[in-house]
Amino acid sequence: EVQLVESGGGVVRPGGSLRLSCAASGFTFDDYGMSWVRQAPGKGLEWVSGINWNGGSTGYADSVKGRFTISRDNAKNSLYLQMNSLRAEDTALYHCAREPRVATMALGTYYYYYYMDVWGKGTTVTVSS
Amino acid sequence: DIQMTQSPSSLSASVGDRVTITCRASQSISSYLNWYQQKPGKAPKLLIYAASSLQSGVPSRFSGSGSGTDFTLTISSLQPEDFATYYCQQSYSTLRYTFGQGTKLEIK
Repeated sequence: EVQLVESGGGVVRPGGSLRLSCAASGFTFDDYGMSWVRQAPGKGLEWVSGINWNGGSTGYADSVKGRFTISRDNAKNSLYLQMNSLRAEDTALYHCAREPRVATMALGTYYYYYYMDVWGKGTTVTVSS
Repeated sequence: DIQMTQSPSSLSASVGDRVTITCRASQSISSYLNWYQQKPGKAPKLLIYAASSLQSGVPSRFSGSGSGTDFTLTISSLQPEDFATYYCQQSYSTLRYTFGQGTKLEIK
């Protein structure tokens, strides 16, 4: 069974740090990019960060750039999110998601479409004094 | 960053209705648009990718269309299990994705 299981959430004071983990199983982990997506209580989805299959490319939302670091260990089938300088507005349920890609070719050029097809149930981060 | 705007923000409809949700991008994103469904307390579920490709296992009453800046998700005949919140997401900017604010579909 294809599965993603997040862990590492908890309650932390403003300015503190947490490291989230996402354990993947049931698929070849290094065939896929991965993302972290969060949802504050009662709010919509916010993409937080993403990483390509080998960790060579990463991206961040402006709201977390410079504070969060995404990484992966393909030997351990695991994705991580190091969160520093946490703020109250980082309080949310954090999901990891698998990113397959579909390639199409037009006029001799390949186009790659990415999407998130498998999601974990999430881990809760609460930033409060 | 590319901004994604969904309309309406909420919608009331009845079982059997045909429903359309719109998503507009702040710049052209070609067909790099995905749709997700989320039910309370659950993780999002992929419905449509690349604007119009139906994810495996998703009922055929769901369809997506559009290109450039304007996209639609259509549910041809609402079923009780379709009442949920729907989100669009652009993947045009690699590793700089953004979601729409969501459309809550409620029972009339």
